[in-house]
Amino acid sequence: EVQLVESGGGLVQPGGSRRLSCAVSASTFSIYEMNWVRQAPGKGLEWVSYISSSGSSKYYADSVKGRFTISRDNAKNSLYLQMNSLRAEDTAVYYCATFPTHTTSWYFDVWGKGTTVIVSS
Amino acid sequence: SYVLTQPPSVSVAPGETASITCGGNNIGGETVHWYQQKPGQAPVLVVYDDSDRPSGIPERFSGSNSGNTAILTISRVEAGDEADYYCQVWDGGSDHPGVFGGGTELTVL
Repeated sequence: EVQLVESGGGLVQPGGSRRLSCAVSASTFSIYEMNWVRQAPGKGLEWVSYISSSGSSKYYADSVKGRFTISRDNAKNSLYLQMNSLRAEDTAVYYCATFPTHTTSWYFDVWGKGTTVIVSS
Repeated sequence: SYVLTQPPSVSVAPGETASITCGGNNIGGETVHWYQQKPGQAPVLVVYDDSDRPSGIPERFSGSNSGNTAILTISRVEAGDEADYYCQVWDGGSDHPGVFGGGTELTVL
């Protein structure tokens, strides 16, 4: 079964930048559609961004559009989230999550354990 | 954008049945998925495609979806079912398609 491990979280100042990574243990990473989902402290889940298997299609939540960029490197089995112009409200645990490969249904069937980003001065 | 509405909390006694609702405009025309999240852990898929269960999820977990309401039903509730539950749809017609409900905290009395 595919496994996901996020990294790159930490403390960052308001207005700063951070790049999150998600390492994917799968022999066929290139067929997986990937997502980032976040959860602010004490709050619910918020979908952040999606990228297609080839990287040609990308979607973003309104709350991050224009500030965050999702990307992937299929040769390195890795997913990324470049976060710029960070705000206090971006403080959250960030999860990467896959869509299933065997169906056209869009649910998050495998999740990483998450990495924590804290935006504070 | 599409909005999913869940009750903030539901309480149930052990052995009873818990019903967690997820409301949305004509949600019956959407495909709904449900996640369980325990404190400090990543979410876990418990129901997908309205009513299917992933392998390893007990038969006690079931789902339905019709009209303006989807429902996650947990039968014979156990103490270990205490968690937050989230519904989710993928609004394919939108350029920001990922949608979660606000979550429901299930308390086992």
